[in-house]
Formats: sequence, C-alpha cells, structure tokens
Amino acid sequence: GNSVTQMEGPVTLSEEAFLTINCTYTATGYPSLFWYVQYPGEGLQLLLKATKADDKGSNKGFEATYRKETTSFHLEKGSVQVSDSAVYFCALKAQAAGNKLTFGGGTRVLVKP
Amino acid sequence: DSGVTQTPKHLITATGQRVTLRCSPRSGDLSVYWYQQSLDQGLQFLIQYYNGEERAKGNILERFSAQQFPDLHSELNLSSLELGDSALYFCASSVAVSGTDTQYFGPGTRLTVL
Repeated sequence: GNSVTQMEGPVTLSEEAFLTINCTYTATGYPSLFWYVQYPGEGLQLLLKATKADDKGSNKGFEATYRKETTSFHLEKGSVQVSDSAVYFCALKAQAAGNKLTFGGGTRVLVKP
Repeated sequence: DSGVTQTPKHLITATGQRVTLRCSPRSGDLSVYWYQQSLDQGLQFLIQYYNGEERAKGNILERFSAQQFPDLHSELNLSSLELGDSALYFCASSVAVSGTDTQYFGPGTRLTVL
C-alpha cells in the first residue's frame, strides 16, 4: 500500500538557520504530494503541493520538489523564523487509492530566537 | 481560515457514550473527508463522502459511522466510546475527487473520553 516516511523530530534550530525535512514515499502510480503544517493548538494548513514529477511547490519561503527517481519530496526553507515553529506533515494522494491523504508521522520543528 | 467549520471544538464524555461531530465544508466543495489524529496512530483517514454518497473507507471502526446531508454538511457519529477513541478528529473538504484536488482542513474537534 501507499506510505510516507519523514524524519522524526524534534528538530531544533536557531532563527535564520536552514531547514530541511526529509520525506520519502511509496505509492503505486503517480501520486500528488503535499506538505501540511500544524501550528500549536490549530488544525492542518496546506503549505505547498506538487502534482507531477519535477514540479516544485513553494509558499512562504518553503520549497519542495517532486523527485520521482528518488521518490522524495523534501521540504526546505533557507532562513527560518520563530513563527515557523510547528509540526510539519508530508502526505500523498493517489487517485487509485480513493483520493484519501496518506500522512507521514509528522516532524516537530522548534525555532529558537 | 480554511473555510471548513467543525463543531464542537472540544468534547468530553464518558466511556460507553455516543457523540456526534459536525462538519461544514467550504462553499462549493462536494467532497468531505474525516481523519483521526492520535498520539499512537498518527493521522489516519476514516471515511470520505462525495455529494451525499460514501466514496471511500479507511480504518474506520464499526462503532463509528458518518453521513453527508443534502446541504453537504457531514456528521461523524462515534458510539460505545472507549478510552482509546480520545483523539483529534479533523474534517477536510475538496471540490471533487480528482487526484490533484487540494483538501482543506477544519480546526478539528478534540474528543476526550474519560
């Protein structure tokens, strides 16, 4: 079946540091890939998405590129802020699987001033 | 604000009881999804409805059921509650059922079973 594996946290960084969260997936066909973010006490917000190989999703300084050859969708940000402290979830959606989202376990990121 | 609303925000109840969680999708969205977020299982898909009909089922317990009404809002019914049902329950909606559709999530309902 489909699955998503992302690096375990917590990841602790200083402000303005570079952030990378690794995400790899297993899926049949050609899934769409997503990053969602969950701020403390809140629901999930879509951060970015990519729907086909080599697409790059970007939003709020975050980027991720859909790499079919390595089945990866790593999230990066060049200079994090304290307000980026949150839990980040990588997810995939495969039409063959009924369009449900399959999530990774989440990575908690803590940015210190 | 995603445009998806969920009520109530918090729910505290006892084992053996039954509760109903409500979700209103974004305006124009026909598809509704329910997910459960728990510490041990992570985020798991429960069930999907599209325009009033059940479309897909995930790891949803038989004690749980859902429906989508003609006005497109959805309800998730949880019965014979157990301690392990304590979790955050999210509703999400999307325009249709395309593989590229984005699912927008509500703020969730936190269920505590005592």
